Amino acid sequence: AQKVTQAQTEISVVEKEDVTLDCVYETRDTTYYLFWYKQPPSGELVFLIRRNSFDEQNEISGRYSWNFQKSTSSFNFTITASQVVDSAVYFCALSEAGNTGGFKTIFGAGTRLFVKA
Amino acid sequence: KAGVTQTPRYLIKTRGQQVTLSCSPISGHRSVSWYQQTPGQGLQFLFEYFSETQRNKGNFPGRFSGRQFSNSRSEMNVSTLELGDSALYLCASRAGGFSSSEAFFGQGTRLTVV
Repeated sequence: AQKVTQAQTEISVVEKEDVTLDCVYETRDTTYYLFWYKQPPSGELVFLIRRNSFDEQNEISGRYSWNFQKSTSSFNFTITASQVVDSAVYFCALSEAGNTGGFKTIFGAGTRLFVKA
Repeated sequence: KAGVTQTPRYLIKTRGQQVTLSCSPISGHRSVSWYQQTPGQGLQFLFEYFSETQRNKGNFPGRFSGRQFSNSRSEMNVSTLELGDSALYLCASRAGGFSSSEAFFGQGTRLTVV
């Protein structure tokens, strides 16, 4: 069965600190996709990144970087030099084909990040 | 390009009533998914529609139902409301109906059951 675990419920950092958000997933499928979404106070989740199960190349995009390790079923997200605007809830998600066609996406519980000025 | 539009934004209903929520996806997107978000349970998948067909359903009672119209707009209905149905209901649209497609979310409908 699918499962996504974000063990960190809340993280509080001071501006300019680096912060890593952890995500561990479980799946029996060999083909799946992992996502990170950001939910600011407005409520609308915003897509950040997608990784497929065959692509373990890590990525850096500006202040964001992602570390996908299949061996440990982890897909961690790091914000470098955090800013107050990074304060939000961050969700890790796992998507794979559904039993009846289409797909199912399971989200982790989310990690609330507070960045203090 | 307009984003995902959910209406209404806020709703207060009484236990036992029913409610219908609406979602207009991004133009051209044929896949619409619904999620329930609560502080205790997080984001839980309700169902996914593609070209008017429900392809997958989460673990929710039959009181939760939905449909998708030919223009890809979707509605979600909850009958016989319970206090525990109070939540933020999020709709997401995707360009492709595949597990690889990223989701574009609306701002949600906050339902309060009293």
